[in-house]
Amino acid sequence: NAGVMQNPRHLVRRRGQEARLRCSPVKGHSHVYWYRQLPEEGLKFMVYLQKENIIDESGMPKERFSAEFPKEGPSILRIQQVVRGDSAAYFCASSPPPTRRETQYFGPGTRLLVL
Amino acid sequence: AQSVSQHNHHVILSEAASLELGCNYSYGGTVNLFWYVQYPGQHLQLLLKYFSGDPLVKGIKGFEAEFIKSKFSFNLRKPSVQWSDTAEYFCAVNGGSQGNLIFGKGTKLSVKP
Repeated sequence: NAGVMQNPRHLVRRRGQEARLRCSPVKGHSHVYWYRQLPEEGLKFMVYLQKENIIDESGMPKERFSAEFPKEGPSILRIQQVVRGDSAAYFCASSPPPTRRETQYFGPGTRLLVL
Repeated sequence: AQSVSQHNHHVILSEAASLELGCNYSYGGTVNLFWYVQYPGQHLQLLLKYFSGDPLVKGIKGFEAEFIKSKFSFNLRKPSVQWSDTAEYFCAVNGGSQGNLIFGKGTKLSVKP
């Protein structure tokens, strides 16, 4: 059952370090979405990527955050110089090329804790 | 801008009680509507979705939801809950040309055995 895979599941970083979160979409899915869930909040959209292309990054913080989805390999969400406020659960979802009717399938998330 | 409101933050029910979780959205155009469930320690799973057609949608595990366009609502219902339904429930909407989902803040459901 090759669903959306995310790793690591848990990540602890000290302030100022870098965090790299990986997401492997469902086989055959070409679109990836990243969402962030802060404590007591719903999921907030961050970025939407296609292979080698960022479609929509309107939800990404302007600094320190970047995302990529290379031709080969998983999608990476990178957070530089982490701060305590970055502590959250980060979820990745994938879908086939969307026609507005496609469902997004979610991974188990990466829980980032910044000390 | 699109938004989704879930009225109940935490709902506590006894087994066999009926459930209704409210969800309202703000968007004037055509929308796709979803309910996701997150069991403790697990990832989000799709319960049901509405794209078009019959506004009463049936999902997995006995859940259903009704789309009422005039009220901008998509409430989730289950006639008789079980202890295993204890989870957090998220309503989400996708509208316009956006690919991303807009989520509500979630409702935690606790079912007492």
